Amino acid sequence: DGGITQSPKYLFRKEGQNVTLSCEQNLNHDAMYWYRQDPGQGLRLIYYSQIVNDFQKGDIAEGYSVSREKKESFPLTVTSAQKNPTAFYLCASSMTRTGFGNEQFFGPGTRLTVL
Amino acid sequence: AQTVTQSQPEMSVQEAETVTLSCTYDTSENNYYLFWYKQPPSRQMILVIRQEAYKQQNATENRFSVNFQKAAKSFSLKISDSQLGDTAMYFCAFKTTGTASKLTFGTGTRLQVTL
Repeated sequence: DGGITQSPKYLFRKEGQNVTLSCEQNLNHDAMYWYRQDPGQGLRLIYYSQIVNDFQKGDIAEGYSVSREKKESFPLTVTSAQKNPTAFYLCASSMTRTGFGNEQFFGPGTRLTVL
Repeated sequence: AQTVTQSQPEMSVQEAETVTLSCTYDTSENNYYLFWYKQPPSRQMILVIRQEAYKQQNATENRFSVNFQKAAKSFSLKISDSQLGDTAMYFCAFKTTGTASKLTFGTGTRLQVTL
């Protein structure tokens, strides 16, 4: 089945630790995205990547880092510099960054809790 | 910068009835795209319907339709013959057509369908 997978579903982290969230897609999509969702708020864009080895900051990139070494993978690292990392993280992908036909497909999400 | 406003945090509708969710947005762009996403309790984001701003005809997908008023910058979602499975958070989202386009989400409306 084609789709987007995120792992783990639940993640617990101690303060001061870095943690990496996995996102893999087998849809052959060029673009990938990371969003953060907090209660009472919509999704906010953290980082996005249009092609391999290239990525751009979104609206709330501080305290996060990403890599795009393979087309299928776009891992997100939440660093100790992120002051309020507890949130629900969603990964998405689309065919191309521009144009209307690039519907974004979302993964099932990872719930990160900082203890 | 674009903003999306959903003024109804929660709504309730009886099964088989019709409900309309409101969304307004602010932009200086002339051409753009609008979306409604559904997030059920599983938290999987699912695209419900989309609208191209240059098309005057309102989009329709089975029981879901929109009322797009470009001059008023309004994009409401109508759900007809509501079903229990429609219970979810609904997010309105905006996307420009440029190379730096991204999805900007509203804060969501929680819809409860009751018997």
